Amino acid sequence: QVVQSGPEVKKPGASVKVSCKASGNTFTNYYVHWVRQAPGQGLEWMGLANPRGDSITYSQKFQGRVTLTRDTSTSTVYMEMSNLRSDDTAVYYCARSVAPVAYFDIWGQGTLVTVSS
Amino acid sequence: QSVLTQPPSVSGAPGQRVTISCTGSSSNIGAYYNVHWYQQFPGKVPKLLIYGTTNRPSGIPDRFSGSKSGTSASLAITGLQAEDEADYYCQSYDSSLSGVVFGGGTKLTVL
Repeated sequence: QVVQSGPEVKKPGASVKVSCKASGNTFTNYYVHWVRQAPGQGLEWMGLANPRGDSITYSQKFQGRVTLTRDTSTSTVYMEMSNLRSDDTAVYYCARSVAPVAYFDIWGQGTLVTVSS
Repeated sequence: QSVLTQPPSVSGAPGQRVTISCTGSSSNIGAYYNVHWYQQFPGKVPKLLIYGTTNRPSGIPDRFSGSKSGTSASLAITGLQAEDEADYYCQSYDSSLSGVVFGGGTKLTVL
C-alpha cells in the first residue's frame, strides 16, 4: 500500500525529508496530502501534490518552509521541512484523495520526526 | 485554534447514542463542501469513518452515521460499544484558505 520512511531525530534549525512510497497504482490519478499530528494534539493539514506532481498547494502556515515533491515514476511523494523547531515534533502522515476537497481513504503508517537539541 | 470546532470530549454508556458536532462557517461546511469523519485509536493511523457527509466506507457498521445542517455537521454513534472509545475528527475544505481543514478532535469515552 503506502510505506513511509523511518523515524528521524533532528536538531533545531536542521531540515528533514520524509518519503511516502505507494505500491502498484495506489497513487495513480490521486492527490497526495501531508498531515501532521503533534503529541497529544489533533490533525493538521500541510499541503498536497496533484497526480502529475506539477501543482503543489501548501497550507498558509507551512508556505515557504515546506516543500512537497512527487516522483510519478517511482510513486513516491516527499515532504521536506526546513528550519525545524521543537514544536515541529510530530508524526507526519501522507494520505491520498481523489480530489483536493475529498476524503483521505488510504494513509501511510506515519513518520515520527523529533526535533531536539 | 482549528477552523472546524468540535467538543473536546463526549461520553456515553454502552448501548446509548452519542453525537459529535463539527461547527464551521460559510467558507467551508456552509459552502456545501462535504464533511468527512475519521476514527483514531491511540498510536494508530486515522481511519475513514464517514465520507461525503453521510456515506460509510465498506466495513463500517451502520451504527455510525453523518449529517449536516447549515454550517455544522454531526457524527452519530448508536448502540455505543466499548470498542468505539477513540478520537474522532471531522474534515472539510475551506474556500477562503484554499485548503483542507480539520476539527480539533473529540475524545469519546464509553462509561
